[in-house]
Amino acid sequence: DGGITQSPKYLFRKEGQNVTLSCEQNLNHDAMYWYRQDPGQGLRLIYYSQIVNDFQKGDIAEGYSVSREKKESFPLTVTSAQKNPTAFYLCASSPFGGGLGYTFGSGTRLTVV
Amino acid sequence: QKEVEQNSGPLSVPEGAIASLNCTYSDRGSQSFFWYRQYSGKSPELIMSIYSNGDKEDGRFTAQLNKASQYVSLLIRDSQPSDSATYLCAVIPPIQGAQKLVFGQGTRLTINP
Repeated sequence: DGGITQSPKYLFRKEGQNVTLSCEQNLNHDAMYWYRQDPGQGLRLIYYSQIVNDFQKGDIAEGYSVSREKKESFPLTVTSAQKNPTAFYLCASSPFGGGLGYTFGSGTRLTVV
Repeated sequence: QKEVEQNSGPLSVPEGAIASLNCTYSDRGSQSFFWYRQYSGKSPELIMSIYSNGDKEDGRFTAQLNKASQYVSLLIRDSQPSDSATYLCAVIPPIQGAQKLVFGQGTRLTINP
């Protein structure tokens, strides 16, 4: 079955530590996205990529980094520069352009301990 | 002004009644509109997309779009307890280049048996 796989489902980060969230899709979608969701809030765009080896900052990119070395993979690193990283992180993908809507992964819940 | 606005609710509807969810958007040239359903702790799931003025029906769901009023709504007929969730409105604004979904904060809907 085609879909998007995010791992891990739960992640705990210590202060000052970098962590990487994995996102893999087998939908043959060109575009991939990372969103952050805080309790009771909508989704805010962190980074997006429309093609391999290219990505752009979203609305809240500070403290995050990404790479897009393969079409199927779009990992997100939460760096120590992100001061409030506790949130639900959602990866999504779409055919080029996004006009048909996005397909979401199951999410990673990150908590700072 | 937020790009996409929704009443956060909670909206409480008796079982079997019609639930009406509303969304307004700020960019007049927006072309693509989506409704996502999100159960607590889960990722969003696309339930409706609409691109032209008027109504679009899919089972118990009807999406309504009025571009002149910059208004999109979702009606759920014969509401069931399983419809209890947060409903996210999403819009692709007319930005050159990448088509990125912008989400509202969501409306929490509770269907009372």
